[in-house]
Amino acid sequence: AQSVSQHNHHVILSEAASLELGCNYSYGGTVNLFWYVQYPGQHLQLLLKYFSGDPLVKGIKGFEAEFIKSKFSFNLRKPSVQWSDTAEYFCAVSLMDSSYKLIFGSGTRLLVRP
Amino acid sequence: GAVVSQHPSWVICKSGTSVKIECRSLDFQATTMFWYRQFPKQSLMLMATSNEGSKATYEQGVEKDKFLINHASLTLSTLTVTSAHPEDSSFYICSARGREGYGYTFGSGTRLTVV
Repeated sequence: AQSVSQHNHHVILSEAASLELGCNYSYGGTVNLFWYVQYPGQHLQLLLKYFSGDPLVKGIKGFEAEFIKSKFSFNLRKPSVQWSDTAEYFCAVSLMDSSYKLIFGSGTRLLVRP
Repeated sequence: GAVVSQHPSWVICKSGTSVKIECRSLDFQATTMFWYRQFPKQSLMLMATSNEGSKATYEQGVEKDKFLINHASLTLSTLTVTSAHPEDSSFYICSARGREGYGYTFGSGTRLTVV
């Protein structure tokens, strides 16, 4: 069965620290890849997405992610986090078969200390 | 941009009653809609996928007789929680995918509380 793994469940950083959140998926076919953010008490917001082309994708709020096909990975990065980045981050993979299912990872809760 | 309207945003119902949640794509045709549930501090779990005019496909472990999904038109999908029980209390979110793009647009979610 297809799955999405996020290795870090809780991450605590100080402001200005660099961030990298891991995401791996298991699916042999073509996929599209997404990172979403959910701020406390708010709804999902798309950070960035990868469909094709340059595997290094830039998103909103200074986030970027790199798709490494050989590793089935799509890690999220930010060079310098801010207190306002405190949120839950979800990696998601859509299967480019007839279902177009969008499957979410378990999420990573990020706390940035001022 | 693409907008998905989900109603109600919250609902409280008595145990044993049924609740219907609507999800509408406002400015695009949603060929496929997805229904998720999210428990507190957990991820979104895909419940089912529905394509316009056909029966929904349910994920393993999701009771299709309890969670009735109807996708009668290209702009509307409904989820009915039948004979709701307290353990059905959760946050339900719909997502729509249109013909043209690969993106997914999410509704704002419905918080269901069964008392």
